[in-house]
This record gives sequence, C-alpha cells and structure tokens, in this order.
Amino acid sequence: SQTIHQWPATLVQPVGSPLSLECTVEGTSNPNLYWYRQAAGRGLQLLFYSVGIGQISSEVPQNLSASRPQDRQFILSSKKLLLSDSGFYLCAWSLTDRVGGYTFGSGTRLTVV
Amino acid sequence: GDSVTQMEGPVTLSEEAFLTINCTYTATGYPSLFWYVQYPGEGLQLLLKATKADDKGSNKGFEATYRKETTSFHLEKGSVQVSDSAVYFCALPLGRALTFGSGTRLQVQP
Repeated sequence: SQTIHQWPATLVQPVGSPLSLECTVEGTSNPNLYWYRQAAGRGLQLLFYSVGIGQISSEVPQNLSASRPQDRQFILSSKKLLLSDSGFYLCAWSLTDRVGGYTFGSGTRLTVV
Repeated sequence: GDSVTQMEGPVTLSEEAFLTINCTYTATGYPSLFWYVQYPGEGLQLLLKATKADDKGSNKGFEATYRKETTSFHLEKGSVQVSDSAVYFCALPLGRALTFGSGTRLQVQP
C-alpha cells in the first residue's frame, strides 16, 4: 500500500534562518506531488506542485522554493525565513491530478519566532 | 475561474443532530468534487467524492450529492457524533491541482 511521510512534525525557527521540510512517498511510482500551506484558522493555499523529477510549478511567488531530487521525494526550502512563513505545511500526492483525489501527509507545524 | 465556496463556521451541534455544510462551485464543465476532513492537529483525509453530475458520494455516514442544477455539493449527516468534530473542506480540480474551500469547523457537543 502507498504511504506518505512528512517531517518534522513541529519546527520552531528564528527569523532569517533556513528551512528544509521533506516529504517522501512509498509504494507508488511517478506520483504528482504537492505542497500546501494552511495559515492559522484559514484555508489551504497551494504553494508548489510537481508532475515529475525536476519539474516544479510555483503557484505563489514568495520566500519559498521546492525541489524534487528523486521520483518520490519532495522538499520545501527557504534560505531566510520570515515571520509570515509560519503555518501548517502539508504535503500530498496523487496518481492522477483530475479525478483521483489526494493523500495528505500529517503536516509540519512551523513557527517562525 | 473554477472555485468552491463554503458556508462559514463554526457550526455547533448537539450529538445526534442533523448536519448540513453547504458547498457551491463554479466550474467549466463537470469536474469531480471532493470533501476532505481535517481532525485537530492532523493532515487532511479524503472523506468522499463524486465524479459526475447526480452522483452521490458517501462514507462514514456522510453523504453529498453532485447537483449540476444548483451547482452544489452539500455535505450531510443524519446523526453527528462528538468524534465528527473537525474542519471540513470542499474541493475541486483547478488546473493540475485541487483548490479548496475555506473550510468549515464543526463542533459537536455531547
């Protein structure tokens, strides 16, 4: 069966520090991968998606970047965090991007102080 | 562009009450529609889906019918439990990704 792992679960980082969040999927090949952010009490904002290795689409220009160095690995990064980067970050995968729906990871709660 | 609009919460109900969470959509054609649920401190889980007009998705006692006449996909449950307390998101595909509604928080009191 397919599983998705996301870590760390919780992270507290000072302003100006770098960030690296990792997401891996097991049990499938060539998944579509997604990063979403959920600000406190708000809905989900799509940040990045990837349909293959090295293929990254950015939905919102901002202080973050994403990479997909391997087929089932998706990394969210920042060189210098801002206070506004605080939120709940969710990774998701899908087999098809129109009909199948997503499977989400358990999320990373990031607090920038 | 394609979008979903959900009723604002929070929705507070007593146990065994009837639940309706409204979701309306704007879309070109007839995309698949989804309901996701987020329990406290967790990621989202797919609750149910409908892939074409007039389809009814159901799971764990929840139901939603894809109604093209009213462009709606309202979530219903006949008798809620305390364990149903969560945030519920309506979603549809937009380009290569899902776009989500703003979420509706449900609180069920014993």
